[in-house]
Amino acid sequence: QKEVEQDPGPLSVPEGAIVSLNCTYSNSAFQYFMWYRQYSRKGPELLMYTYSSGNKEDGRFTAQVDKSSKYISLFIRDSQPSDSATYLCAMSLNSGGYQKVTFGTGTKLQVIP
Amino acid sequence: EAGVTQFPSHSVIEKGQTVTLRCDPISGHDNLYWYRRVMGKEIKFLLHFVKESKQDESGMPNNRFLAERTGGTYSTLKVQPAELEDSGVYFCASSPGDRWRETQYFGPGTRLLVL
Repeated sequence: QKEVEQDPGPLSVPEGAIVSLNCTYSNSAFQYFMWYRQYSRKGPELLMYTYSSGNKEDGRFTAQVDKSSKYISLFIRDSQPSDSATYLCAMSLNSGGYQKVTFGTGTKLQVIP
Repeated sequence: EAGVTQFPSHSVIEKGQTVTLRCDPISGHDNLYWYRRVMGKEIKFLLHFVKESKQDESGMPNNRFLAERTGGTYSTLKVQPAELEDSGVYFCASSPGDRWRETQYFGPGTRLLVL
């Protein structure tokens, strides 16, 4: 069983829609939860991060973590064509004082104008 | 400020050949990470340098892979001899210091195809 499970999509939505992206994980040692965005032919870019259960909002983006269910989500409100990218959930733990990151497979999102 | 750069952007080689990938981290970043994404799979950790020392190389698949970071600046990842299953995208990332929650900044990746 993979430590992090993420539906690869692809997910296609009309402009303005609310997008929900989700991941589950099995390792309860994960302490730090992240969402990366990756445009085609580019490297992943950190979009949001959170340490604890609950919601964290940044503009049109909300990250949600439920540690009891081992479930994280990213919501995108008023989605724009520029949001079209692959979204990777990632989780990390403290390994000898350094961050060791485990990624999901990524969900490819297309926002249609 | 320049981001993480990787060279080459693409490489096509034949099975049994040698390939060397290079990563230049953001200037001043002590931590340098190598990751790999095989088609259809998730990005997986390969190894982590702190300055010139290997902090964690638990993700290196086998002894055909050799990573170096001489002088604690740029890093190379050599695959010798390359096998078909080594095809994928190799990412490098760097982060500044010793706080475990700090952001890792990724390069654009090197796309390796072994024929």
